[in-house]
Amino acid sequence: GNSVTQMEGPVTLSEEAFLTINCTYTATGYPSLFWYVQYPGEGLQLLLKATKADDKGSNKGFEATYRKETTSFHLEKGSVQVSDSAVYFCALSPSTNTGNQFYFGTGTSLTVIP
Amino acid sequence: EAGVVQSPRYKIIEKKQPVAFWCNPISGHNTLYWYRQNLGQGPELLIRYENEEAVDDSQLPKDRFSAERLKGVDSTLKIQPAELGDSAVYLCASSLAPGTGIQETQYFGPGTRLLVL
Repeated sequence: GNSVTQMEGPVTLSEEAFLTINCTYTATGYPSLFWYVQYPGEGLQLLLKATKADDKGSNKGFEATYRKETTSFHLEKGSVQVSDSAVYFCALSPSTNTGNQFYFGTGTSLTVIP
Repeated sequence: EAGVVQSPRYKIIEKKQPVAFWCNPISGHNTLYWYRQNLGQGPELLIRYENEEAVDDSQLPKDRFSAERLKGVDSTLKIQPAELGDSAVYLCASSLAPGTGIQETQYFGPGTRLLVL
């Protein structure tokens, strides 16, 4: 089946620290992979995505590389800011043509302290 | 461009009462989704529409939940009667119609936070 496993939080970092949030997946075929961010009281916003193996998605200083050999899509940022405090969700969408089904991880809460 | 609009943002009701949520997707997005997000969890799909047709409602608890998208644009999700366990955030999302082998990005609204007392 299809599923996403994220590292459990919460994660607390000091400003300018390096961030890694691990995400691994199980899927049939070649899924598209996504990272969404949810700020307090808001809906999910697309952060970045990758649609095929070895693709790197990037946005706002965040990066994630689609690694087929390790079935991973880890989120990284070199220097976090207080404004990055949010919940981050890894998601996949299978490549089989059964519609635009998304599978989300449980989310990882990040708090950045000054 | 306006994003996905949802209302109300918050709703508090007593158990056994009915409740309805409304969603207006991004203009031109044929596909509309309703998700439920429990506290500390990721969103879980309830129902997906392609235009006015519900193409995936396998996770919708049909004994108490119903949804409609009569003109293929905005949509309403209803719970009747509500139970304590229905307390959650109900998210609406929309996307372009998926092409063959292409998975379109989903865009989410702010959600409706429901509390059932």
